[in-house]
Amino acid sequence: DTAVSQTPKYLVTQMGNDKSIKCEQNLGHDTMYWYKQDSKKFLKIMFSYNNKELIINETVPNRFSPKSPDKAHLNLHINSLELGDSAVYFCASRASGMYQETQYFGPGTRLLVL
Amino acid sequence: AQSVTQLDSQVPVFEEAPVELRCNYSSSVSVYLFWYVQYPNQGLQLLLKYLSGSTLVKGINGFEAEFNKSQTSFHLRKPSVHISDTAEYFCAVSVYNQGGKLIFGQGTELSVKP
Repeated sequence: DTAVSQTPKYLVTQMGNDKSIKCEQNLGHDTMYWYKQDSKKFLKIMFSYNNKELIINETVPNRFSPKSPDKAHLNLHINSLELGDSAVYFCASRASGMYQETQYFGPGTRLLVL
Repeated sequence: AQSVTQLDSQVPVFEEAPVELRCNYSSSVSVYLFWYVQYPNQGLQLLLKYLSGSTLVKGINGFEAEFNKSQTSFHLRKPSVHISDTAEYFCAVSVYNQGGKLIFGQGTELSVKP
């Protein structure tokens, strides 16, 4: 069973379109994250939710909007896609509590904006 | 603010040779330390982590790392590498009570040659 899954795995779209990426975890974790990996493989956190509440919101354009319908799901909606949004987007989850620091990553969604 | 520097962007090594991937971090508070591995076109997998206790940490696939507080380092080592260890390796830190966000280094590409 996949612990953290993302759909779609690949996404090719035109500039200006709106797209969504979905993430689901079956680990029972309370906290979920979105990270962006750029073309140089640099990873940077974008958002984090804990029990459906936004707790981390890094400097990300307003075109990016996360949504957490329940604690097992964290989706990422991107409006008006730009060329610079091309990247790999990773979802991750983590249990709450002291020393529960390990994050489990999904396989990534490879977004290409043309 | 915290930052992570991986001192080598690429490390080529022959099979069965030892390897060390270097990681230094900067932080004014105590941090948790991690090494993740990313195989081509896959997500990140935790190799090992340091939260507290013994400074020598053993992980999966024969890897180990040593936390050195005075030198603010967390170097990753393996005594004998295999072709299958070819991957991108990321060092990361997180701070307790800051939502668990991971701050990553730039990555080190380990290339194991026969």
